[in-house]
Amino acid sequence: DSGVTQTPKHLITATGQRVTLRCSPRSGDLSVYWYQQSLDQGLQFLIQYYNGEERAKGNILERFSAQQFPDLHSELNLSSLELGDSALYFCASSLYRDSYTEAFFGQGTRLTVV
Amino acid sequence: GQQLNQSPQSMFIQEGEDVSMNCTSSSIFNTWLWYKQDPGEGPVLLIALYKAGELTSNGRLTAQFGITRKDSFLNISASIPSDVGIYFCAGWVEYGNKLVFGAGTILRVKS
Repeated sequence: DSGVTQTPKHLITATGQRVTLRCSPRSGDLSVYWYQQSLDQGLQFLIQYYNGEERAKGNILERFSAQQFPDLHSELNLSSLELGDSALYFCASSLYRDSYTEAFFGQGTRLTVV
Repeated sequence: GQQLNQSPQSMFIQEGEDVSMNCTSSSIFNTWLWYKQDPGEGPVLLIALYKAGELTSNGRLTAQFGITRKDSFLNISASIPSDVGIYFCAGWVEYGNKLVFGAGTILRVKS
């Protein structure tokens, strides 16, 4: 158990809908990262937050947004969903914001858009 | 942007064989991380490397931080069926602000 908790584990929704994925980092970790993994693909970096502030942005679509709350949990909001958004979404956390830090992953949320 | 080239893309080996995979980049890294992912699960951290030349073991796994700071390798000795999965390298680029991942090496083991 990595200590990173993601909910829900599975989500099935229709095209055009909006969903929210939630992540609780390991106790004490200040950084949260979001990654998308499509079928047979690698891990695509979406966005990173450090202590409530956006730290780095990857290939995140404008339809997607995220935030990190004062208690350090994070939410990833996906709107106007398309079939191609079906993927595993992972959250990771680390103590520091960059360099010399280990990142630990949650179990992921499997999103299926129908 | 920073890219990690991970090879081989996949391996199909006999149980008991040793395995070697590596990651290279044109950028300098100050941290290398190696992960294993089982199907439908999150990546699990195997080994973390922080210094050029560092050689670290975790059971049958050994990883090294390249002297040039642009590469790293992971060796698995005496492979067993439960080693099956996808292995990812990842790293922090010096002066960068993103944790960069390789494309992964798919390992299959014949018993």
